[in-house]
Amino acid sequence: GESVGLHLPTLSVQEGDNSIINCAYSNSASDYFIWYKQESGKGPQFIIDIRSNMDKRQGQRVTVLLNKTVKHLSLQIAATQPGDSAVYFCAEILNTGNQFYFGTGTSLTVIP
Amino acid sequence: KAGVTQTPRYLIKTRGQQVTLSCSPISGHRSVSWYQQTPGQGLQFLFEYFSETQRNKGNFPGRFSGRQFSNSRSEMNVSTLELGDSALYLCASSLLGITDTQYFGPGTRLTVL
Repeated sequence: GESVGLHLPTLSVQEGDNSIINCAYSNSASDYFIWYKQESGKGPQFIIDIRSNMDKRQGQRVTVLLNKTVKHLSLQIAATQPGDSAVYFCAEILNTGNQFYFGTGTSLTVIP
Repeated sequence: KAGVTQTPRYLIKTRGQQVTLSCSPISGHRSVSWYQQTPGQGLQFLFEYFSETQRNKGNFPGRFSGRQFSNSRSEMNVSTLELGDSALYLCASSLLGITDTQYFGPGTRLTVL
């Protein structure tokens, strides 16, 4: 099947620094990408999404970059806060067959 | 607006039994999707229901089934439980489907002994 993988399983950053979480995907036909945040004991929470016809999208303190040439997705969190500590997943959606794939997740720890 | 709710939150079953999990979507949402989350496989898509019809399906055996009622509430059933079915089962609801913003519930933690 298709694979959506993450480059680093864990990431530790100092409070106030910027965080970058990466994701590789394998299907160049993917249409839609989403980043989710999952805190302990909770379900995933939508952070930001991007369509395949875009390269960059910004939200509040978060930016998603899509590089279709190398099939790479990244999530940038500005001024990381302790409340950002969580597992972050990227998800890849293929409109053909409406298939939905998650990456394995990166655990972000913010050091006060 | 109330979020997605799932019941029960925790469940312990033995091999060979069957289990039914319930999901109540956000009011007005017609799409409900189910996911399995395990440490080894991560999050995997099970299926999606929209207006009482299964619209999309992931790569899970037929032991995993679901249904959706006219009020958009959904149930997921797993028959002949196996040890490997131990997981967190998450449901998510959205207005339009899996290509729309999905809102997840807290999950049901199923342990198979």
